[in-house]
Amino acid sequence: DSGVTQTPKHLITATGQRVTLRCSPRSGDLSVYWYQQSLDQGLQFLIQYYNGEERAKGNILERFSAQQFPDLHSELNLSSLELGDSALYFCASSETRGNTIYFGEGSWLTVV
Amino acid sequence: EDQVTQSPEALRLQEGESSSLNCSYTVSGLRGLFWYRQDPGKGPEFLFTLYSAGEEKEKERLKATLTKKESFLHITAPKPEDSATYLCAVKDRDDKIIFGKGTRLHILP
Repeated sequence: DSGVTQTPKHLITATGQRVTLRCSPRSGDLSVYWYQQSLDQGLQFLIQYYNGEERAKGNILERFSAQQFPDLHSELNLSSLELGDSALYFCASSETRGNTIYFGEGSWLTVV
Repeated sequence: EDQVTQSPEALRLQEGESSSLNCSYTVSGLRGLFWYRQDPGKGPEFLFTLYSAGEEKEKERLKATLTKKESFLHITAPKPEDSATYLCAVKDRDDKIIFGKGTRLHILP
């Protein structure tokens, strides 16, 4: 158990809908990272937050947004969902901006 | 642009047959190289962090090494429970962590 908690574990929704994925980092970790993993693309970096502020941005679509709250939990919002958004979404956290990141178990999103 | 390439994509070994996985990288200002193990449908599990060329880390049957351009994950006398996908990642000067596509390792009993 890495200490990173993600909910929900599984989610099935229809195209055009909006969903929110939630992440609680390890106790004391200030950085949160979001990744998308699909079969053909591997782990794709989406976005990183550090202590409530956006720190780095990857290939995150405009339909996706994220935020980190004062209690350090983070949410990833996915809107206008398309079939191609079906993937495993991982959250990871680290103690400082430069250290090893630890992953949660992921949220399976299926768009039908 | 930062890039991480892992080879081979897949590897099948007999139990006890040692081998190495490769991770080559180009990155702006390496801040760390990481190895993870991922089982199907699970989150990546941290194995090692390496920071500078010449550094080595070991854990049970696994040993990771780092040069200026690549890293190797050596697996000595593997067992079937070592079967998994092994992921390599690098952190750049902007603190982005970029992953390779992984090597799927299958150890036959």
